[in-house]
Amino acid sequence: EPEVTQTPSHQVTQMGQEVILRCVPISNHLYFYWYRQILGQKVEFLVSFYNNEISEKSEIFDDQFSVERPDGSNFTLKIRSTKLEDSAMYFCASSFGQGPNTGELFFGEGSRLTVL
Amino acid sequence: DAKTTQPTSMDCAEGRAANLPCNHSTISGNEYVYWYRQIHSQGPQYIIHGLKNNETNEMASLIITEDRKSSTLILPHATLRDTAVYYCIVRVAGYGGSQGNLIFGKGTKLSVKP
Repeated sequence: EPEVTQTPSHQVTQMGQEVILRCVPISNHLYFYWYRQILGQKVEFLVSFYNNEISEKSEIFDDQFSVERPDGSNFTLKIRSTKLEDSAMYFCASSFGQGPNTGELFFGEGSRLTVL
Repeated sequence: DAKTTQPTSMDCAEGRAANLPCNHSTISGNEYVYWYRQIHSQGPQYIIHGLKNNETNEMASLIITEDRKSSTLILPHATLRDTAVYYCIVRVAGYGGSQGNLIFGKGTKLSVKP
């Protein structure tokens, strides 16, 4: 069964450093998403991406965050200057469409980011 | 904010049916009810979704009340592997039949016990 894959599974970084989290969505999917989950809290929407541009973003997704689809397979989340509060599990997801029969999101297993 | 209300936690005996309720009293006519679950700290997993008719798939059944103000997810024969947080999500309808992004609430922590 096709799946969303994420790398790295765990990254430890120093505060102020740049981090790039990578995702390979399911190959025929057109919509891509990033969510995050701070330990013990709920899953929070960050951003959705379609046709090489951001379609929606939350208040969390400020200027420190950016997303990119550098080639036909990868979808990346960059955090420019990490803060302690960026420590979380980051989930990538993809969907074929956004309608009721195509909008099922498939999530990856997540990348755990620890900022020291 | 999430548009649903779910119990914080529930227990279920292994092999019995698990019935997880969800209230969505402000749901609009073109909004779907989705269920996802998250096992431990893994990525959320899609279970089922519906508009107004009851739905069934290989994982679960979804019963939506006639007024659409509430629904119940049924896992017919719960196993220990079904222990997870279950999220009931009302997905906002967008333009041209598209739907808004999934917005997760706190969900129900289901514990299946031997």
